[in-house]
Amino acid sequence: AQSVTQLGSHVSVSEGALVLLRCNYSSSVPPYLFWYVQYPNQGLQLLLKYTTGATLVKGINGFEAEFKKSETSFHLTKPSAHMSDAAEYFCAVRPPGQGAQKLVFGQGTRLTINP
Amino acid sequence: NAGVTQTPKFQVLKTGQSMTLQCAQDMNHEYMSWYRQDPGMGLRLIHYSVGAGITDQGEVPNGYNVSRSTTEDFPLRLLSAAPSQTSVYFCASSIRGVATPYEQYFGPGTRLTVT
Repeated sequence: AQSVTQLGSHVSVSEGALVLLRCNYSSSVPPYLFWYVQYPNQGLQLLLKYTTGATLVKGINGFEAEFKKSETSFHLTKPSAHMSDAAEYFCAVRPPGQGAQKLVFGQGTRLTINP
Repeated sequence: NAGVTQTPKFQVLKTGQSMTLQCAQDMNHEYMSWYRQDPGMGLRLIHYSVGAGITDQGEVPNGYNVSRSTTEDFPLRLLSAAPSQTSVYFCASSIRGVATPYEQYFGPGTRLTVT
């Protein structure tokens, strides 16, 4: 079965520092890949998604992610953290051949921004 | 568009009680799903539907029932609540598609506590 691993349940960075949130998936065939963000007491909002084509994907709020097939990874980055980036971030995959109603989520990474 | 709406926002139940979590979407999406979110476990799929009258089980279906009589609504029923069902529940919808990169849109969630 498809699985998603997010390394680090908590990540803390200083305001202005690089944000790096790690995500690895288990599949020999590249799935569709997504990053969602959840602000406190809210639902999930799509940050970005990888489907096919360019391996560097740009999303909202200055985030981007790079798909690396050889490493089965889809890490999320942002060059300069802002206080408003404090939230929980989820990596999710849609296994090959599965419909859009099924996502497999990672455990989530809570991002804290220090002033 | 209101997107995906969920009611109630909060609910406290006693063990053994039953209740229905409501979910509605106004985007004419064929696919709808229910997830539960627990600390350190990300989101796990409970049940999903690919259209009116069609539902299927996800990863953690035990103790829950669903039905889909209209495209818009996808209620989740707890038959006899147990403390293990204390969680945050999210409803999501998406455009129909298998080999398509469509993402899911999430509601704001229902926080359920079972005592």
